[in-house]
Amino acid sequence: KAGVTQTPRYLIKTRGQQVTLSCSPISGHRSVSWYQQTPGQGLQFLFEYFSETQRNKGNFPGRFSGRQFSNSRSEMNVSTLELGDSALYLCASTRGGTLPYEQYFGPGTRLTVT
Amino acid sequence: QQQVKQSPQSLIVQKGGISIINCAYENTAFDYFPWYQQFPGKGPALLIAIRPDVSEKKEGRFTISFNKSAKQFSLHIMDSQPGDSATYFCAALWGNQFYFGTGTSLTVIP
Repeated sequence: KAGVTQTPRYLIKTRGQQVTLSCSPISGHRSVSWYQQTPGQGLQFLFEYFSETQRNKGNFPGRFSGRQFSNSRSEMNVSTLELGDSALYLCASTRGGTLPYEQYFGPGTRLTVT
Repeated sequence: QQQVKQSPQSLIVQKGGISIINCAYENTAFDYFPWYQQFPGKGPALLIAIRPDVSEKKEGRFTISFNKSAKQFSLHIMDSQPGDSATYFCAALWGNQFYFGTGTSLTVIP
């Protein structure tokens, strides 16, 4: 079974630009979560989608947004990039529904903002 | 506010020794506690997980000990190997959201 895939793997953007990251969950998984990982802050929760609906949102500014498609694939968008947005963005998927809630991560997208 | 507190931040262990990483939480509504292992340049990988109705779970060299009354859980790595050198994260689930500890960088010296 293929794992969680994320594209692109690496991205370099300029401050003020916007970026879209893509995530394909494990087949059959309906829940997708996004995290920002930085050396100083660890894993910070961005948002979680289940069946195209955002169920949870972390404490990030409105510049961070996401969506989920009917095939469970998800995208996240960051507008008006700031230097502090440089991070590893991780996508994770679960089946959703009842426990055990095994969550599997993708390899991440390394975003560098210059 | 950090919902899950993890310690130590870094750990150095001799090959063959036992590595112990601890996590503490306050929210008694958490109902699932996984541990993740992350190598540089990779996403975290699910290592082992436990439900609060179980006090211990063992998978190979990895054991989770869970103390519900103390609201603490820990990861024990027996016979630690250099290949175990990685960053370990504990997490806790509440509803549909996972809350992560800040990570422990483990180095196993040959």
